[in-house]
Amino acid sequence: AQSVTQLGSHVSVSEGALVLLRCNYSSSVPPYLFWYVQYPNQGLQLLLKYTSAATLVKGINGFEAEFKKSETSFHLTKPSAHMSDAAEYFCAVSEGAGNKLTFGGGTRVLVKP
Amino acid sequence: NAGVTQTPKFRVLKTGQSMTLLCAQDMNHEYMYWYRQDPGMGLRLIHYSVGEGTTAKGEVPDGYNVSRLKKQNFLLGLESAAPSQTSVYFCASSLLAAVTGELFFGEGSRLTVL
Repeated sequence: AQSVTQLGSHVSVSEGALVLLRCNYSSSVPPYLFWYVQYPNQGLQLLLKYTSAATLVKGINGFEAEFKKSETSFHLTKPSAHMSDAAEYFCAVSEGAGNKLTFGGGTRVLVKP
Repeated sequence: NAGVTQTPKFRVLKTGQSMTLLCAQDMNHEYMYWYRQDPGMGLRLIHYSVGEGTTAKGEVPDGYNVSRLKKQNFLLGLESAAPSQTSVYFCASSLLAAVTGELFFGEGSRLTVL
């Protein structure tokens, strides 16, 4: 069965600093991996996805994530945080032909001026 | 561009009452999903549908029923609400299966059961 672990439920970064959100997954087959972002009082929006092409995936708003099979990780990074990045971020995994995404518990990002 | 619309956005129920949440999408998507979001637990799939007239159970289906009579609508019902069903409910739709396709989410429906 697939599962997703996000390390750290809350992350605080200074504006202009690196954003690093950690995601580890377990999957019995090569996974499809996703990062979604949720701004306050809104639904989730797709940031980026990995579907077995390039291991470094670029998404919207300057975010990128690297798939590391040996570490079963899919960490999300952004070189320089902006105030508008304050949101909750969810990592998700889907196996094979299933129609289901399994989400991690989420990481809330606070950006300090 | 309406996308995915959920109604109502807020609702307070007493234990034992029933209600229906409506999800409507205008993107002609085949797949639709109902999730619940609880603090620290991410989103958990309640039920989903792979096309008009079809439904399937997700991770936490107990206490909920769904129907997909029209392609654009996906209804989530609570027959006898319990305090454990206090949550934020999200509907989502996708053109392709979730395994490869992007999910489009509504803005959520906040339900409180007293």
